Amino acid sequence: DAKTTQPTSMDCAEGRAANLPCNHSTISGNEYVYWYRQIHSQGPQYIIHGLKNNETNEMASLIITEDRKSSTLILPHATLRDTAVYYCIVRVGSGNTGKLIFGQGTTLQVKP
Amino acid sequence: DVKVTQSSRYLVKRTGEKVFLECVQDMDHENMFWYRQDPGLGLRLIYFSYDVKMKEKGDIPEGYSVSREKKERFSLILESASTNQTSMYLCASSTKYEQYFGPGTRLTVT
Repeated sequence: DAKTTQPTSMDCAEGRAANLPCNHSTISGNEYVYWYRQIHSQGPQYIIHGLKNNETNEMASLIITEDRKSSTLILPHATLRDTAVYYCIVRVGSGNTGKLIFGQGTTLQVKP
Repeated sequence: DVKVTQSSRYLVKRTGEKVFLECVQDMDHENMFWYRQDPGLGLRLIYFSYDVKMKEKGDIPEGYSVSREKKERFSLILESASTNQTSMYLCASSTKYEQYFGPGTRLTVT
């Protein structure tokens, strides 16, 4: 079973920041938090991952709480093309053997 | 850019047929994966492979087998297709941290 809990759906206005929450209260000390998204009829796309520290890349920012029991993915300026299902995943295992277990994800609808 | 290609976007097969789904990656990744995706069930891992000729069962391996004879190619085999194997099949390859997915094959078994 997935080790994460996410809201089923969220809306966001175009141009505003989208903040997608995720709970992972049973995460272990060496498990990473990953975010992927899936646009309709395409394969999932990697967004970002982190262990303890906050992370930022060209797509998004990842904020992980100090106790690591929850995290938030931030899309700073959402566009209509960001409409997708967003998956928060705790990576089971480590290194090359780590598996990803996908849950149901959050359907983000960006509205004009 | 990393490219993961799958042999077909859409496939229709009959019950009992042997089905081969092919996946090729061009980034020399050691790790490759096969998932299926169904409404309400999300992505579920069928099989994965960490090296040529190596394979590991995922969460739902029943009714499937795999083959990895070359590093760049990972094949999913349905020995005798059944209607409950109608699904979207997704292949992925990965570095240590990131998985890259193909576009998927939508298989319909009639």
